Amino acid sequence: GEQVEQLPSILRVQEGSSASINCSYEDSASNYFPWYKQEPGENPKLIIDIRSNMERKQIQELIVLLDKKAKRFSLHITDTQPGDSAMYFCAASARHTGYQNFYFGKGTSLTVIP
Amino acid sequence: GALVYQYPRRTICKSGTSMRMECQAVGFQATSVAWYRQSPQKTFELIALSTVNSAIKYEQNFTQEKFPISHPNLSFSSMTVLNAYLEDRGLYLCGARGQANTGQLYFGEGSKLTVL
Repeated sequence: GEQVEQLPSILRVQEGSSASINCSYEDSASNYFPWYKQEPGENPKLIIDIRSNMERKQIQELIVLLDKKAKRFSLHITDTQPGDSAMYFCAASARHTGYQNFYFGKGTSLTVIP
Repeated sequence: GALVYQYPRRTICKSGTSMRMECQAVGFQATSVAWYRQSPQKTFELIALSTVNSAIKYEQNFTQEKFPISHPNLSFSSMTVLNAYLEDRGLYLCGARGQANTGQLYFGEGSKLTVL
């Protein structure tokens, strides 16, 4: 199946600074790239996503960038707060005949230091 | 809004026994359901993708014989872990996607399997 690389696996930042997580994918048919935040003991929840017809999307302090040529996409959290501390997962989804699959990166553990 | 209920939340079973988990979509029609296993290290492994009216697609290293899945209608899916052993432990998550939505995967809360 699709391989999604996610880096870094661990990220510690000071409150108020920015945090960046990078992902790359292999399947050129991938056309949808969601990001999930998972807090301890909780299920993953969608926080932002981007489709292949866009290069940039922003929702409040969350920015996602997509470079289709390089097959890379990234999440940037500006002005981080302690509440942003969690596991973050990127995913790439490709539509194939009859189904659309989702593959996840291995996750980034973000800690925002007050 | 769209919700996915998954149960049981936790199961402890003896080695060699089986565990069945269920996934219920509420507020949308789950045309496809993906089953994942999240390891203690938090890595997601895709087990299989079930799309209504299509064959269930299993990923490499996962088989129907070990993880039989049922997806009888647009609101329900179940998966069983047969003959569970220590390496099967982890958090099993179902992710449901509707036909009319923009592709978002809604996750259930997970079924945590502990094997003794």
